[in-house]
Amino acid sequence: GQNIDQPTEMTATEGAIVQINCTYQTSGFNGLFWYQQHAGEAPTFLSYNVLDGLEEKGRFSSFLSRSKGYSYLLLKELQMKDSASYLCAVLDSNYQLIWGAGTKLIIKP
Amino acid sequence: GAVVSQHPSRVICKSGTSVKIECRSLDFQATTMFWYRQFPKQSLMLMATSNEGSKATYEQGVEKDKFLINHASLTLSTLTVTSAHPEDSSFYICSAKLGREFDEQFFGPGTRLTVL
Repeated sequence: GQNIDQPTEMTATEGAIVQINCTYQTSGFNGLFWYQQHAGEAPTFLSYNVLDGLEEKGRFSSFLSRSKGYSYLLLKELQMKDSASYLCAVLDSNYQLIWGAGTKLIIKP
Repeated sequence: GAVVSQHPSRVICKSGTSVKIECRSLDFQATTMFWYRQFPKQSLMLMATSNEGSKATYEQGVEKDKFLINHASLTLSTLTVTSAHPEDSSFYICSAKLGREFDEQFFGPGTRLTVL
């Protein structure tokens, strides 16, 4: 079966750095997405990786290793507004998006 | 980025009634739209994939006669929850993409449905 694993919840301090991991086992791979979702709101797109390596976009970076079935989202200089759930999703061989359960990130002052 | 709207944002209805939710892509034509349901503290659950001009493809376990999807145009898809019951209370979110298979999905703001 298809499976995406990410931690349920993480806590970090304002101004610090946090890394949210995602491992996946899917039938085929056509890219990995990270979305941010604030409580009661719809998800918003953060990043898309299809090749191995690190993609940096401001305070957020996303890394992919296809051989390991592994990705992480790195958030730097954390701000209180970064408190949200972060969803990892993989496009499988049928271009279906397989969603992880999400990681709730709690930022403390 | 592309904008997707949803209407209504919040609806409360009595058990047994039907509720229609609209999803519109405002500044692009969406060949494919998706309908998700999200229960509290859970991730998104794909209900169905909707392509303009054709019947929706429902995920396993989703009753197509209960959740009617119509994708009448390249900018509008509707989800009708028929004979709603309290267990249908949830956050319903639509998304749309341009059509290329690897395109990101743009999400609507969601509709909070409460069935009394």
